[in-house]
Amino acid sequence: DQQVKQNSPSLSVQEGRISILNCDYTNSMFDYFLWYKKYPAEGPTFLISISSIKDKNEDGRFTVFLNKSAKHLSLHIVPSQPGDSAVYFCAAPLTTSGTYKYIFGTGTRLKVLA
Amino acid sequence: NAGVTQTPKFRVLKTGQSMTLLCAQDMNHEYMYWYRQDPGMGLRLIHYSVGEGTTAKGEVPDGYNVSRLKKQNFLLGLESAAPSQTSVYFCASNRDKSYGYTFGSGTRLTVV
Repeated sequence: DQQVKQNSPSLSVQEGRISILNCDYTNSMFDYFLWYKKYPAEGPTFLISISSIKDKNEDGRFTVFLNKSAKHLSLHIVPSQPGDSAVYFCAAPLTTSGTYKYIFGTGTRLKVLA
Repeated sequence: NAGVTQTPKFRVLKTGQSMTLLCAQDMNHEYMYWYRQDPGMGLRLIHYSVGEGTTAKGEVPDGYNVSRLKKQNFLLGLESAAPSQTSVYFCASNRDKSYGYTFGSGTRLTVV
């Protein structure tokens, strides 16, 4: 049961345009979401997060939107740059038996064309 | 500021061989995790630890064992490697449940 889903495995965007990466979740108990960015041959690095008490969080060119009723979040990158080409994972924490671990989506590979 | 260090970075094993992957973190984090990444599958949790001397099973624990004898180290063992364990393995840690992970750079393992 995939609790965090990224239905688009890849996305190509022209440099300077907006990139929109989507993520859907099924567990209404999730109260915090993160986006990670991963370059080839490197580990994922934290990009931006959002708490469920907010519907938007912005950090420079990156904005994450959360629609709780639709169980959907999206990452907007404006303007997109070639250096943004990477795989993006959304993740949500699952708390069971007092422990806390993150569930990751399958990732979306973003390619920004120069 | 090393963060999370994984060794080795690459390894090729024959079916049935054993090996241990080492993860070391210098941030005094309580929580440590082992994930595997496969095409189309995202990151799946193998085992994790909530403190020195503790371990717990994640989503895909079969065929793996772990140990956390020291707070800074989290070892992942394969007793009898199988081709299905060909993957990229990532170790991660965090200070407590309120924080996201710091990941290592990964170990690419091929089992032939």
